[in-house]
Amino acid sequence: QKEVEQNSGPLSVPEGAIASLNCTYSDRGSQSFFWYRQYSGKSPELIMSIYSNGDKEDGRFTAQLNKASQYVSLLIRDSQPSDSATYLCAVNPEAGGGADGLTFGKGTHLIIQP
Amino acid sequence: SQTIHQWPATLVQPVGSPLSLECTVEGTSNPNLYWYRQAAGRGLQLLFYSVGIGQISSEVPQNLSASRPQDRQFILSSKKLLLSDSGFYLCAWSVRTNQPQHFGDGTRLSIL
Repeated sequence: QKEVEQNSGPLSVPEGAIASLNCTYSDRGSQSFFWYRQYSGKSPELIMSIYSNGDKEDGRFTAQLNKASQYVSLLIRDSQPSDSATYLCAVNPEAGGGADGLTFGKGTHLIIQP
Repeated sequence: SQTIHQWPATLVQPVGSPLSLECTVEGTSNPNLYWYRQAAGRGLQLLFYSVGIGQISSEVPQNLSASRPQDRQFILSSKKLLLSDSGFYLCAWSVRTNQPQHFGDGTRLSIL
């Protein structure tokens, strides 16, 4: 069974610090990886996509992928109270299988303390 | 730009009643379309996906069904709702395989 694991938290980080969110996945053939932010009562919002090993930076966000370790992470620099949300890791489980939909982790609840 | 519309935003239905949730996408052609459900305390679960008109694949056997009568319209239905059907239903689209999925605002469904 394809699984995506995340620490549910809550993860508490002081304002201005770096928040580090982690995710592991079971399907070694996975090809694409996404981070979504979900505010309470709202739908998920895409914040990062990553497809190859290494780091990808977009503003205050950096996604890191290590396919050998089946590990993907999200770093949020200069954390702001508005970053407080649940962060969902999503994995496309098969090459060419995007139409199968994404497998989501249950999310990490991040709290940025002012 | 592309937009996705989903309605209604909230719905309260009695057990055994029918259901119809609708989703439409604007600004793109032949999108992949998806229905997910997010139950309280659980992750997002893929229910159905579609790669074209009339093409529906089901991921979870249950009393729900989906249809795609037009290129950019995706409908989730049930003939008789169960208590376990309560949850947050989300429609999503992507341009093609392996690309990010973008979600609508969702429908919060409560079954009484």
